[in-house]
Amino acid sequence: GQQLNQSPQSMFIQEGEDVSMNCTSSSIFNTWLWYKQDPGEGPVLLIALYKAGELTSNGRLTAQFGITRKDSFLNISASIPSDVGIYFCAGRSPGGSEKLVFGKGTKLTVNP
Amino acid sequence: DGGITQSPKYLFRKEGQNVTLSCEQNLNHDAMYWYRQDPGQGLRLIYYSQIVNDFQKGDIAEGYSVSREKKESFPLTVTSAQKNPTAFYLCASSLRGYYGYTFGSGTRLTVV
Repeated sequence: GQQLNQSPQSMFIQEGEDVSMNCTSSSIFNTWLWYKQDPGEGPVLLIALYKAGELTSNGRLTAQFGITRKDSFLNISASIPSDVGIYFCAGRSPGGSEKLVFGKGTKLTVNP
Repeated sequence: DGGITQSPKYLFRKEGQNVTLSCEQNLNHDAMYWYRQDPGQGLRLIYYSQIVNDFQKGDIAEGYSVSREKKESFPLTVTSAQKNPTAFYLCASSLRGYYGYTFGSGTRLTVV
């Protein structure tokens, strides 16, 4: 099935550092979503983006819907230990399907 | 509170036995989904259903079966034909026209 290219696969950072991760696709999307998964739990929606160029913040998190509609990025500022987890991007293609396509995730480790 | 419930959280089965994972939602969502998660593999779609009494195969449906007799319920059966069933299984639901999924907390299946 269709997949998104999410990078990096993993990140090891110090508490207080900023984090950036991104997703790219070979085809256009009309919705981009970012989820966070804590260990042993289901993913939780962080940010949803619906328009090309849209920039949305949720606390220390900022995400953007790329102008080309083929990419999106997520930034986390001033990381804290509870930011640890796996971050997934997800996109929805034009064409009416309700299904989302997911990236493989970025595993974030924050050292206190 | 509305939500999506997966049970049990942990499940152990002997090889060759069928096992059914439960997924119930009281969000009045139309669509429901089953994903499998293995380390480093991201989320892979097994089956999805957009309406009662109808469902479609996802990317890795072989060895799995589902039913959707009620809007609230979407159980997944892992059959003995599934060659490598040990994994973390996630159920999700979504409202038509809203593209974010709500995930359950997952079931970790171990087959010995």
